[in-house]
Amino acid sequence: SQTIHQWPATLVQPVGSPLSLECTVEGTSNPNLYWYRQAAGRGLQLLFYSVGIGQISSEVPQNLSASRPQDRQFILSSKKLLLSDSGFYLCAWTGYNEQFFGPGTRLTVL
Amino acid sequence: GENVEQHPSTLSVQEGDSAVIKCTYSDSASNYFPWYKQELGKRPQLIIDIRSNVGEKKDQRIAVTLNKTAKHFSLHITETQPEDSAVYFCAASVVGDSNYQLIWGAGTKLIIKP
Repeated sequence: SQTIHQWPATLVQPVGSPLSLECTVEGTSNPNLYWYRQAAGRGLQLLFYSVGIGQISSEVPQNLSASRPQDRQFILSSKKLLLSDSGFYLCAWTGYNEQFFGPGTRLTVL
Repeated sequence: GENVEQHPSTLSVQEGDSAVIKCTYSDSASNYFPWYKQELGKRPQLIIDIRSNVGEKKDQRIAVTLNKTAKHFSLHITETQPEDSAVYFCAASVVGDSNYQLIWGAGTKLIIKP
């Protein structure tokens, strides 16, 4: 069966510091992968999606970037975090129709 | 592009009563409509979905109805229980699109009053 991992689970970072969040998927090949951000009490904002290695589409221009160095690995990065980057970051992959979410990373920027 | 609107943003119902959440979509090409439940601090999880070739689908206490002509679909929860308290998201997509994306509603916070 398929499993999706994210780490770290929680992160507290100062403003201006870099960020790297990792997502890996097991049990499937060539998945579509997604990064979402969810601010407190808000909905799901799609940040990036990828249909294959090295193929990244950005939905929202901002200080974040994404990379897909391997088929089942998706990384979210920032060179300098902003206060507004705080939130719950969710990685997801697509099965036949359904999107499966990882457990998420709760990021607090102070 | 597709736009999904969801109402209400908050819904409070007495335990045992029914709850209905409604979504409308704009792209007539959309053919897949899932509903996700997100408990506090957890990841969203699929609870039910419907394709455009079906008008209604039921799974125990939850059901989804789809009106393609009006471009709206609804989630119905009967005999609500405390564990139904959560945020519910609807979404719409076009299955078969290589750049497959779910377009999400803004979410409904469902509160079940004891």
